[in-house]
Amino acid sequence: NAGVTQTPKFQVLKTGQSMTLQCAQDMNHEYMSWYRQDPGMGLRLIHYSVGAGITDQGEVPNGYNVSRSTTEDFPLRLLSAAPSQTSVYFCASSSGTGFYGYTFGSGTRLTVV
Amino acid sequence: LAKTTQPISMDSYEGQEVNITCSHNNIATNDYITWYQQFPSQGPRFIIQGYKTKVTNEVASLFIPADRKSSTLSLPRVSLSDTAVYYCLVGAGSYQLTFGKGTKLSVIP
Repeated sequence: NAGVTQTPKFQVLKTGQSMTLQCAQDMNHEYMSWYRQDPGMGLRLIHYSVGAGITDQGEVPNGYNVSRSTTEDFPLRLLSAAPSQTSVYFCASSSGTGFYGYTFGSGTRLTVV
Repeated sequence: LAKTTQPISMDSYEGQEVNITCSHNNIATNDYITWYQQFPSQGPRFIIQGYKTKVTNEVASLFIPADRKSSTLSLPRVSLSDTAVYYCLVGAGSYQLTFGKGTKLSVIP
């Protein structure tokens, strides 16, 4: 049981490039979310999904797209990378609403130069 | 979502009990209180959740007074491996976890 798997662990992009951060969970969780964490800060919600085919915006959605074609996968796409998107990105999943039981991945450290 | 206030940092010696208090004056009737732990370069990890009175698990205890306007996470006999950031979250049934800056706990040998 791998939990929440994020790939890649590290990535360097040039300004204007696009890329997809991958997130996969094997716990059959309905709820999945993407967060970003900047130095010395808490996590901020980018996008979330309550099930396959259903996504919604969080606190800081600009510059990011998501889709949820399967229960297991929830990729995050950066459309045109900017230095302000340099951050650590975490994916999380849960079997139900509320706070209980959210499992986080180990993160993707992204640098945009 | 209820706003929370917790100390920015705390220091403790190994073997001591550590209590981290979180204030949440505008907590709603159906809100739960949840604590997460985050080690450097890792994602947050759920520690404990409670609604009122006291909850205890193998990792920590959570004390919630009757008015529920604050809560205290208690870590018994901390070790160096407990050095981490601890986040207090308050809410109910929301898909959106709201993390503050947390409390950075440093355990000193």
